[in-house]
This record gives sequence, structure tokens and C-alpha cells, in this order.
Amino acid sequence: KQEVTQIPAALSVPEGENLVLNCSFTDSAIYNLQWFRQDPGKGLTSLLLIQSSQREQTSGRLNASLDKSSGRSTLYIAASQPGDSATYLCAVTGNTPLVFGKGTRLSVIA
Amino acid sequence: DAGVIQSPRHEVTEMGQEVTLRCKPISGHNSLFWYRQTMMRGLELLIYFNNNVPIDDSGMPEDRFSAKMPNASFSTLKIQPSEPRDSAVYFCASSFDRSSYEQYFGPGTRLTVT
Repeated sequence: KQEVTQIPAALSVPEGENLVLNCSFTDSAIYNLQWFRQDPGKGLTSLLLIQSSQREQTSGRLNASLDKSSGRSTLYIAASQPGDSATYLCAVTGNTPLVFGKGTRLSVIA
Repeated sequence: DAGVIQSPRHEVTEMGQEVTLRCKPISGHNSLFWYRQTMMRGLELLIYFNNNVPIDDSGMPEDRFSAKMPNASFSTLKIQPSEPRDSAVYFCASSFDRSSYEQYFGPGTRLTVT
């Protein structure tokens, strides 16, 4: 059974800092990995999708990498801003669509 | 497109009552997913449909839960009878297919069972 773990559970950084969020998964037989953002009381917004054949995807200040063989992904956020404060969720699709981690709650302090 | 639409946004009901949650997927998407989010368990897949056919309902917690997709533009998740432990946020998502494409989430329905 696929399990997804995100470390750390919470992170607080000063504005402008570059940061990395980590995601690991136990079964490397995946189709893709998706990073989401969730604001308090809101739904999920898709940030990046990495297919299993890809190594990374970039969107603006966000860069996500995927190392399928080691079961790891990272989300790199450059020059963080207070508006980046949210919970970031990693999810993998394999035999079961989208198994989610518990998320990393990010606070960017102005 | 308006995105995935869910109704109601909030539902408060008493234990034992029937609850029906509704979802309209993005037009053209062939796969539809129902999730539940709680503080304790995070986001869990309940059931998903492909071309209106239920593919995997192993995440449905009990027989009190049922889901239907009568056509490509509408799905329901029903809980009968509801219990306080069903209180959660229920999300619907849709995608072009079950595996290769991004899933797009609706705003969720916050269910409170008293």
C-alpha cells in the first residue's frame, strides 16, 4: 500500500528566504506526482505535475523535482513571500489515484 | 470553464439524517473522484469514476456511503444515515483520465453532523 510522508509538518521562514519542502513515497511504481497548495478553509490548487518519466517541473518561483527510484520529491520555493503561506500537499498516482501526504504548513513572516 | 462545482458548500445536519453532496466536473473530463479530508486522517480517496462507471470504491468507509454518476456532468455522494464521525470536508475532483493528467479540485463541502 502506497504511503506518502511529508517533512517537515510545519515550517516558518522569514520573507525572501529560499526553501525546500520534502515528500517521500514507499512504492516507486507511480504514474505521476502532483504538488498542491491549500489555503485555510479552501480547496486544493494544483501547482505542479511531474510525470514518472520526468525529473523536474518549473512554474515561476516553484521548482519540483522527482527521483522515482529513491521515492523522493522536493518542492523548491525561491524568494518566499507572505502570500506563499499555506499548506503544501504532495500526492502520487499509481495503482490508486492520488495518495496524499499530510502536508507541510508553511508560514512566511514579513 | 467554471471549474469543478460542488454544492452545498456547508451542510449541518443531525445524526441519522440523510445527506447528499453534489458535484459537477469540468466539461470534457472523463474521471471523477470523491475525497474526504479530516484533521486526523488527512485527504483520503473514497471512490472514483471513469466514463461514469465506478472503478474503485474501496475507500468508501461503510455501507452508509454511496456514490452515483448518472451522467458525465453530475455525481452525488450520499450518506444515510449520517453520524457525527462523518463530519469532514468532502472534495470532488475531475481529470481527463485517472492517471496521467492533473486533477482539479472543487471548493469542498464542509459537513457537520451533530
